[in-house]
Amino acid sequence: GAVVSQHPSRVICKSGTSVKIECRSLDFQATTMFWYRQFPKQSLMLMATSNEGSKATYEQGVEKDKFLINHASLTLSTLTVTSAHPEDSSFYICSAPDVGGNIQYFGAGTRLSVL
Amino acid sequence: EDKVVQSPLSLVVHEGDTVTLNCSYEVTNFRSLLWYKQEKKAPTFLFMLTSSGIEKKSGRLSSILDKKELFSILNITATQTGDSAVYLCAASSLGGTSYGKLTFGQGTILTVHP
Repeated sequence: GAVVSQHPSRVICKSGTSVKIECRSLDFQATTMFWYRQFPKQSLMLMATSNEGSKATYEQGVEKDKFLINHASLTLSTLTVTSAHPEDSSFYICSAPDVGGNIQYFGAGTRLSVL
Repeated sequence: EDKVVQSPLSLVVHEGDTVTLNCSYEVTNFRSLLWYKQEKKAPTFLFMLTSSGIEKKSGRLSSILDKKELFSILNITATQTGDSAVYLCAASSLGGTSYGKLTFGQGTILTVHP
């Protein structure tokens, strides 16, 4: 299957700092990527849809000024958690659909801990 | 609001047992039903189901979809300790983009003891 690379895998930062997470499709182009958040023992919650060449689409309740998304190219989307606070601590995962748009492949995830 | 519900939420079995995981969904503009296995990190793709009644198989795993009842099951026969994981069911719908959004269920935590 397709490969999606996510970096970094782990971040520990102080409250108030900004954290950037990268998601790359390694062997295919992705005009759309998705960003999810997963709390312990809970399912994946879609945060936003990242669209290459246009603004991201955010799900209800997700602050777009807090979670900045930039889809810089057909293989790269970034999520920046601005002014992170302890409640932002979570597991963030990106995904990209395959060429047919049916199956989504996931990055390895980023565990963010805000102290 | 789109919703996917999985049951049971957790399951503990012994090696060799057969398990059935359930997934029901209510999704507008339903496109397909996907099953993923999540161990410590990102979910890995297992199956995608689009049509009712057609069983998909991969080794000891199989899955089937009932679009009338809005239901899918994932079967694992002769379970092994390596099957221990969280199994996620997700419904794909046609959202604002050509590639559908996924709505995930809560997951079923499967633990297989030797």
